Parts: sequence; C-alpha cells; structure tokens
Amino acid sequence: GAGVSQSPSNKVTEKGKDVELRCDPISGHTALYWYRQSLGQGLEFLIYFQGNSAPDKSGLPSDRFSAERTGGSVSTLTIQRTQQEDSAVYLCASSWRGLASSYEQYFGPGTRLTVT
Amino acid sequence: AQSVSQHNHHVILSEAASLELGCNYSYGGTVNLFWYVQYPGQHLQLLLKYFSGDPLVKGIKGFEAEFIKSKFSFNLRKPSVQWSDTAEYFCAVSPMNRDDKIIFGKGTRLHILP
Repeated sequence: GAGVSQSPSNKVTEKGKDVELRCDPISGHTALYWYRQSLGQGLEFLIYFQGNSAPDKSGLPSDRFSAERTGGSVSTLTIQRTQQEDSAVYLCASSWRGLASSYEQYFGPGTRLTVT
Repeated sequence: AQSVSQHNHHVILSEAASLELGCNYSYGGTVNLFWYVQYPGQHLQLLLKYFSGDPLVKGIKGFEAEFIKSKFSFNLRKPSVQWSDTAEYFCAVSPMNRDDKIIFGKGTRLHILP
C-alpha cells in the first residue's frame, strides 16, 4: 500500500508569511507525528496525535506553530509569521498501535522549508 | 525525561571495515530502543529494534545492535561495511510500550569510501 506522503516537497517563503504543510499517513495508522530535522540537530519532536485523543503539543517551539488532524487521518502543520530559523525539513511519521504493534514509525519524504 | 546521545557525529570508513556507532540513553525505567537509517534521498526507515528478550538484536542488511542495560547503551554494529551503507543513522528510545515519548538522537553521518 501507499506510504506516508507529504506536500509540498519543497516550500520557499518570505519571512513573515504563513505556511501550511500537509501529511497523509498510512491508512489505518492511528498515531501521527511531526518532527523538524535541522542539520546536525537530529529529529526534533513537534507534536503527536493518537486517534481522537487530545494531541501532545509539548514539542511545538512557539505559538506560531500549530497542527490539526482531521478525521483521524490527514494532518496539517501551520507555521505563522515564518522566521528564518524555521528553515528545516519537516517530517511526518505514522504508526499503528495495537496488541501486536512494534511501534515502528513510518516516515514520509519530508517538506523542505526555506524562509528567505 | 529521557534523552539519547550519539557520540559520533560523522564517521568515515573504508569498505570492509568494521563499524560500531555508539548510542547511550538516559531513562530510569524499561525502554524500547530503535535504530533508524536515512539513505541519501530516501525516507527514514527502521533498521532494527529492541523490545525484550535477547539483548543482541539483528536487523536488515547485516546490522546488529546490543542492548547493555548496565551501560544504558544500544550500540549499532556491522562487521564489514559496504559503500551502500553510506547514510545517516539515528538512535531512538521510548519508555516501554509508549509510542508517544520517542526521543531521537542527533544522528551519525556515516560515509563509506569505495
């Protein structure tokens, strides 16, 4: 089946503009994660969704960042008033939680955001 | 809160050399441990994982990792690397059976010389 997809693959925006990044998880996966990957900084956790539960937003770096997950599937990460330090690759991952779950995360290709 | 430390940020080896990438974590309880790999231009993917049982875990492409509880370590090894192993490797840890608290290390870039 299809893997995790993300769009756009690349986004160049001017400082101060808002951007929306989209993630389509694997069908049936209840958990969805957003990470930010910067050179030399590894994967920085941003937000976690699990089913219909309230999301864990503890990783969002500022109130300019927000995320939604509609219908337990597609997720949108929104960055308002973008700053140059927001430039990074934004990764989405999904996983399945169940009795036989291995908690393996399946990652998308990422969205490379460049703020000029 | 747990944390993960990968001591080697950039490793350069020749083909056929042996590889060991270090991973140490800090967490007081029982953990799940993972190694993920990102080949150039590809998605992050799972290399291997430890949940319980035999502390020596074997993964894809000849990789293995050993969980040493007393040292809080989960080092990745391969006896003979290939040029195709050039990639970035990430260690990750989560509390046992918790998928909401997975913490990744900063990664190790491995470059294999042909």
